[in-house]
Amino acid sequence: AQKVTQAQTEISVVEKEDVTLDCVYETRDTTYYLFWYKQPPSGELVFLIRRNSFDEQNEISGRYSWNFQKSTSSFNFTITASQVVDSAVYFCALKGNYGQNFVFGPGTRLSVLP
Amino acid sequence: EAGVTQFPSHSVIEKGQTVTLRCDPISGHDNLYWYRRVMGKEIKFLLHFVKESKQDESGMPNNRFLAERTGGTYSTLKVQPAELEDSGVYFCASSQEGPRVEETQYFGPGTRLLVL
Repeated sequence: AQKVTQAQTEISVVEKEDVTLDCVYETRDTTYYLFWYKQPPSGELVFLIRRNSFDEQNEISGRYSWNFQKSTSSFNFTITASQVVDSAVYFCALKGNYGQNFVFGPGTRLSVLP
Repeated sequence: EAGVTQFPSHSVIEKGQTVTLRCDPISGHDNLYWYRRVMGKEIKFLLHFVKESKQDESGMPNNRFLAERTGGTYSTLKVQPAELEDSGVYFCASSQEGPRVEETQYFGPGTRLLVL
């Protein structure tokens, strides 16, 4: 069975602080795909990143960075110098090699205070 | 390029009534998916269309839910009769054609359904 855990239900930080959102996954597939989505107050799910299981290279995109560690089955997301506009619910998701549908984590609500 | 759109954005109905949700995928995307998030729980897969065919409907909760995608363009999800536990946010997503499992799904804004 596949499962995604986001242990942090809610996080509050003050603007300009760095914040890391945790994601731990379970799968028996040897090839799989990990995703992060952002859900701002407007409600849509905005795609942020996709990572293949065979590519453990970490990625940085502006203030966003992702740390993929297969040894600990984690795919953590860090926002550097957070801004109020980063306030949203962030979902981590897993897709196995033989299915087209996602398994989502419960989401982490991030509040960035001015 | 327009993203995935969903209509209505909100719907409030009484138990026993019927509601139909609509999803327009990104133009050219053959794959269309329905998900829902019941209050306080994870986003759960409902079903997957490839063009007009149902590829996987393993997530459909019961026979009160009927999804269609006539012509392989937009899709509708009908709930008849609605029950209280159907309340939640219904998301639609689409991805490009082809069997690539890793293809990214792009989501719509969701329809918030409240059954009273």
